Amino acid sequence: DTEVTQTPKHLVMGMTNKKSLKCEQHMGHRAMYWYKQKAKKPPELMFVYSYEKLSINESVPSRFSPECPNSSLLNLHLHALQPEDSALYLCASSQDITVPDGYGYTFGSGTRLTVV
Amino acid sequence: GQQVMQIPQYQHVQEGEDFTTYCNSSTTLSNIQWYKQRPGGHPVFLIQLVKSGEVKKQKRLTFQFGEAKKNSSLHITATQTTDVGTYFCAGNQNSNYQLIWGAGTKLIIKP
Repeated sequence: DTEVTQTPKHLVMGMTNKKSLKCEQHMGHRAMYWYKQKAKKPPELMFVYSYEKLSINESVPSRFSPECPNSSLLNLHLHALQPEDSALYLCASSQDITVPDGYGYTFGSGTRLTVV
Repeated sequence: GQQVMQIPQYQHVQEGEDFTTYCNSSTTLSNIQWYKQRPGGHPVFLIQLVKSGEVKKQKRLTFQFGEAKKNSSLHITATQTTDVGTYFCAGNQNSNYQLIWGAGTKLIIKP
C-alpha cells in the first residue's frame, strides 16, 4: 500500500462547528505532516509528527489541534474556524524527517475545507 | 529569511514545445525535491537531487542541481497535455529538515 488516505474529501462547516480531518498511511512511514494550501500557493507546513510525537508546530492558531493516535493515523481537529481558514488541507508522510531518502513525501488527496 | 525563489510563475506553451522552470535558494541546499500538482489534485513526488551538479532524467523530464547546490531546474522536452499542472521545487537547507517550497510554476498548454 503506497497511499495516504484522507477523509473527508470535502467539508463545509460553520464557524461554531467542531469537525475532524483524518489521515491514514500503511507504508511504515515514521513522519507525518499536515499542510495547508491556498489556491495558487505552495503547501504551507502546519504540524509534523515524528515517531508519533509532535515535532514541529508552525505557530498555528489553537483552533487547529493535531492528534497522532498511532503510527498510521493522523487527525486534525477543527474548532471555531474562520472563513479565511478555507483551504485544501493535505496530509503527507515520509520515511523519516531527517534523512533525504530519495522517496520524498507522499501526499494524500486532501480535504477541501470551506468555512461559512 | 530562508526562501526558495521559483520562476516563472506561469508558462504558456504550444503542445510539443519545451518547458523549463528554475529554482534558486538564498542558501546552500542539502537536497532538492520536485513535485507535480495537477489541477484539482495533490502534490506528487517526482524526484530528489542530492549531489552537486547532479543531473537526472525521467523520460522527457530532465532535472539538474547546480554545482553550488543553490539552484535547480526542471526541463520538459516536447510537452504533452498530460504535463499540465504546477511544478514545485522544495529543498532542505543544511541540517534543517523542514522543506522550503518554491512558489511553483504553472504549465499551461495553449489550445
